[in-house]
Amino acid sequence: EPEVTQTPSHQVTQMGQEVILRCVPISNHLYFYWYRQILGQKVEFLVSFYNNEISEKSEIFDDQFSVERPDGSNFTLKIRSTKLEDSAMYFCATQGAGETQYFGPGTRLLVL
Amino acid sequence: KNEVEQSPQNLTAQEGEFITINCSYSVGISALHWLQQHPGGGIVSLFMLSSGKKKHGRLIATINIQEKHSSLHITASHPRDSAVYICAVQKTSYDKVIFGPGTSLSVIP
Repeated sequence: EPEVTQTPSHQVTQMGQEVILRCVPISNHLYFYWYRQILGQKVEFLVSFYNNEISEKSEIFDDQFSVERPDGSNFTLKIRSTKLEDSAMYFCATQGAGETQYFGPGTRLLVL
Repeated sequence: KNEVEQSPQNLTAQEGEFITINCSYSVGISALHWLQQHPGGGIVSLFMLSSGKKKHGRLIATINIQEKHSSLHITASHPRDSAVYICAVQKTSYDKVIFGPGTSLSVIP
């Protein structure tokens, strides 16, 4: 069974610090997504990415957030200056032609 | 208004019981997903449906496109089925997934 992997699994950071969350997609997938889940809440969409461009972004995805595929394989989410309210579980998902979206195991981010 | 609703919000069942979780949605969709989330937090895809019915082991998912309604059934429930079950939809094939609030299931031995 193919799988999406994410690193790190957990990250603790100080408010104002930059964090980079990494995702390794399934090899032939071309559509990439980031979602987040604040503790006790439902999963929310952040951004979708295709053909090296953002396809869609939510209101949450402000100027503090950015995404890229720096080496054509990893897909990263960067938060430039973290806030307390960025504490959440961040899920990467990828999708190939005619397939379902596959979700990674998540990165639990805690901002202190 | 939430685009995806689920009921019940919480469900406790005795081991062996037949369980049904319901999902209704208010938008046109290309696919509906049923997902499972365990306390550790990871999300596992159970089913992707665009019509009819799918079965995998003790799990059955159905969808009625006209009524904008889907159900997830678990037969012969077991404590290891305890998890949050999430209904989610995609409006078009490669669109973002819109998540429902989840149903927290606890199966007691």
